[in-house]
Amino acid sequence: DTAVSQTPKYLVTQMGNDKSIKCEQNLGHDTMYWYKQDSKKFLKIMFSYSNKELIINETVPNRFSPKSPDKAHLNLHINSLELGDSAVYFCASSQVAGGRGNTIYFGEGSWLTVV
Amino acid sequence: QKEVEQDPGPLSVPEGAIVSLNCTYSNSAFQYFMWYRQYSRKGPELLMYTYSSGNKEDGRFTAQVDKSSKYISLFIRDSQPSDSATYLCAMEGAIKAAGNKLTFGGGTRVLVKP
Repeated sequence: DTAVSQTPKYLVTQMGNDKSIKCEQNLGHDTMYWYKQDSKKFLKIMFSYSNKELIINETVPNRFSPKSPDKAHLNLHINSLELGDSAVYFCASSQVAGGRGNTIYFGEGSWLTVV
Repeated sequence: QKEVEQDPGPLSVPEGAIVSLNCTYSNSAFQYFMWYRQYSRKGPELLMYTYSSGNKEDGRFTAQVDKSSKYISLFIRDSQPSDSATYLCAMEGAIKAAGNKLTFGGGTRVLVKP
């Protein structure tokens, strides 16, 4: 069973479209995240939810909106897609929020290409 | 200048050699240091985690942290072709009420040739 699963894995879409990426974790974790990995491999956090509450909201265009219907799911909706949104988006989860090097488990990524 | 710097590589070594990876950072608040391995078209997976300064060993992997120099290292002994991947360092500060906010390096691509 995949611990953190996200769909779709590959997504090619036109500029201006709206798209969603879905994520589910079956680890029983309280905290979920969205990370973005650019072409130079830098991973940056976008959002973090703990017990369905938004706790980290980095400087991300408001075209990006996370939604957490329950603790096991965190979806990412993107409006009015732009070329610069092309990247790999990773969903992740961890047992609890907070530091201490808490292990974060990543999904396999969703490759978004905007044309 | 990025908070965490990491040579992108690629670093090519023959099978059985020692792989030496490192990151430098500028934020003295970082206390937790991690190494992630990322295979092509996969998500990162945690390899090693170290708190503050010192060494930590796990099988063929050794992580070192030198906070005075703001420098961390990962060594892979007896490297195998299956170790070919991108290795990302990651760091975070002290405990916060909010969630983990890891700061990642850009990753070093490693190729272990049979």
